[in-house]
Amino acid sequence: QKEVEQNSGPLSVPEGAIASLNCTYSDRGSQSFFWYRQYSGKSPELIMSIYSNGDKEDGRFTAQLNKASQYVSLLIRDSQPSDSATYLCAVGGRSQNFVFGPGTRLSVLP
Amino acid sequence: DAGITQSPRYKITETGRQVTLMCHQTWSHSYMFWYRQDLGHGLRLIYYSAAADITDKGEVPDGYVVSRSKTENFPLTLESATRSQTSVYFCASSPGQGLYEQYFGPGTRLTVT
Repeated sequence: QKEVEQNSGPLSVPEGAIASLNCTYSDRGSQSFFWYRQYSGKSPELIMSIYSNGDKEDGRFTAQLNKASQYVSLLIRDSQPSDSATYLCAVGGRSQNFVFGPGTRLSVLP
Repeated sequence: DAGITQSPRYKITETGRQVTLMCHQTWSHSYMFWYRQDLGHGLRLIYYSAAADITDKGEVPDGYVVSRSKTENFPLTLESATRSQTSVYFCASSPGQGLYEQYFGPGTRLTVT
């Protein structure tokens, strides 16, 4: 059974701080990694994808991947109250469907 | 508008009734997916489709039927609804399977009484 784990939270950070969201996965053969943001009552929205070890930056978001440790993270710099949402980690691979983590609820306090 | 749409957005039905949830995408993505999302379980894959007339089971397919006669449409049918099928249902589409981003529709909130 392939598993993706995330801390459920809530993770609370003050406005302007860096929020760090973590995800671990069990299948060492996983090849693709995605972060989704889901506001309450809304559908998941893709934030970033990452495929190679290292960092990938997009605006205030940085995804970090370490395949040896089976670990992927999302950093949100200069956190805003509008970033308050649940963040879902998804892991996939060739000919493999996504496995989603349970999500981490982030609360950014003004 | 381009994108992925679902209908209805909200549905209340009675136990034992058949109900069909619709999903339509305009990107010509080959893959389409149906998920349900419940508190405590996260997103779980019900069925997916690699192309028209090609469908396969996901993690929780029991009680559901799908079809895909056209690339853009992927309806999900609950043949005889049960209270345990009360959930939020999301359709998603993607250019490929596990290596490609999935894009989600707005969801259908289904209540079975």
